[in-house]
Amino acid sequence: GAGVSQSPSNKVTEKGKDVELRCDPISGHTALYWYRQSLGQGLEFLIYFQGNSAPDKSGLPSDRFSAERTGGSVSTLTIQRTQQEDSAVYLCASSQGRVQYFGPGTRLLVL
Amino acid sequence: GNSVTQMEGPVTLSEEAFLTINCTYTATGYPSLFWYVQYPGEGLQLLLKATKADDKGSNKGFEATYRKETTSFHLEKGSVQVSDSAVYFCALSEESNYQLIWGAGTKLIIKP
Repeated sequence: GAGVSQSPSNKVTEKGKDVELRCDPISGHTALYWYRQSLGQGLEFLIYFQGNSAPDKSGLPSDRFSAERTGGSVSTLTIQRTQQEDSAVYLCASSQGRVQYFGPGTRLLVL
Repeated sequence: GNSVTQMEGPVTLSEEAFLTINCTYTATGYPSLFWYVQYPGEGLQLLLKATKADDKGSNKGFEATYRKETTSFHLEKGSVQVSDSAVYFCALSEESNYQLIWGAGTKLIIKP
């Protein structure tokens, strides 16, 4: 079946602009995660959605970052007023159980 | 709090060498343990997992055994190939929730 998909695959933006990153999880997966991976670094947890529960936003680095998940499926990560330090690969994962399945990521470059 | 520590890279080996990437963890209860792999230019993929003590996960010639007495989950392969060059991440999932706690990743470079 289809895996996790993310769009766009690459995004170049100017400092100060807003960006939206999209994640389509595997159908039926109740949990959805966003991570950030900076060049040569490990995974940084951003936010976690589980079913209809309130999301765990404990990893969001600033109030410029927000995410929503509509209808328990598609999720959008929004970064407002982007800064150069936001440049990274943003990864989405979904799960139904303990194994997380990752999308290919969105590579964001802020000029 | 819970944590995962894995050996720093890069690890550079010749083809057909024996591989060990160390991973130790700190956790309460009985977590599940995972190895994920990220090949160059690709997304993260689950390599193998183990859900209880003494379980051995295996895939693609890689193995890891869940050792509760040493709180370890070391990744091993008897004979590596150039195609194994990637970044390997060790992770644990707590009993109480399914969030993953990640190690920092180990870059593996295999030379022909």
